[in-house]
Amino acid sequence: EVQLVESGGGLVQPGGSLRLSCAASGFTFSTYGMHWVRQAPGKGLQYVSAISSNAGSTYYATSVKGRFTISRDNSINTLYLQMASLRAEDMAVYYCARGALYDSRNPYFDYWGQGTLVTVSS
Amino acid sequence: QSVLTQPPSASGTPGQRVTISCSGSSSNIGSNYVYWYQQLPGTAPKLLIYRNDQRPSGVPDRFSGSKSGTSASLAISGLRSEDEADYYCAAWDDNLSVLFGGGTQLTVL
Repeated sequence: EVQLVESGGGLVQPGGSLRLSCAASGFTFSTYGMHWVRQAPGKGLQYVSAISSNAGSTYYATSVKGRFTISRDNSINTLYLQMASLRAEDMAVYYCARGALYDSRNPYFDYWGQGTLVTVSS
Repeated sequence: QSVLTQPPSASGTPGQRVTISCSGSSSNIGSNYVYWYQQLPGTAPKLLIYRNDQRPSGVPDRFSGSKSGTSASLAISGLRSEDEADYYCAAWDDNLSVLFGGGTQLTVL
């Protein structure tokens, strides 16, 4: 059974940093593109970032480029999102999602985690 | 502001057919596949349609997708109360990012 479990969310002050993790199981993690998608309270879905299966390619939404860094450790089946210089508008539930086999571009997200809430407030 | 444009709301009565539109541009819908997601309240989104018109296993054939030029549509036939949810379109944009539509809240009257 495919499972994605996010962790690392919490309360952080504006300008602060946070690292999210997504532990994957039930599939060959190293062969799938992985993605982060967020949803602010009461708002729609917003793409955050993606990483290819071998971490050779990464993609970011304009709003987070230069502040967020996506990475993965295929040896322990874990996806990360390092977030820095956090702003009030970054406050959201962050979901990790499995992409398509060897594809880190198309928004084919067939499995999602339960999400982890990031609150940015002083 | 979403680059993929959806109507904020849609509604229908049980048994009816409802369509939700998604409008983009040549750099996204016009040159890439469209995907649709259903999000029930308090839950993670669920993939409903991929590659414009393909249904993942387990998705009822009441749900169908289509694309023409820089626009796409999701159709739901035989509307049921459990279809009440938010629906999002998504597509890769050639400016190296994924775009989501703003979402359409479907109400079953």
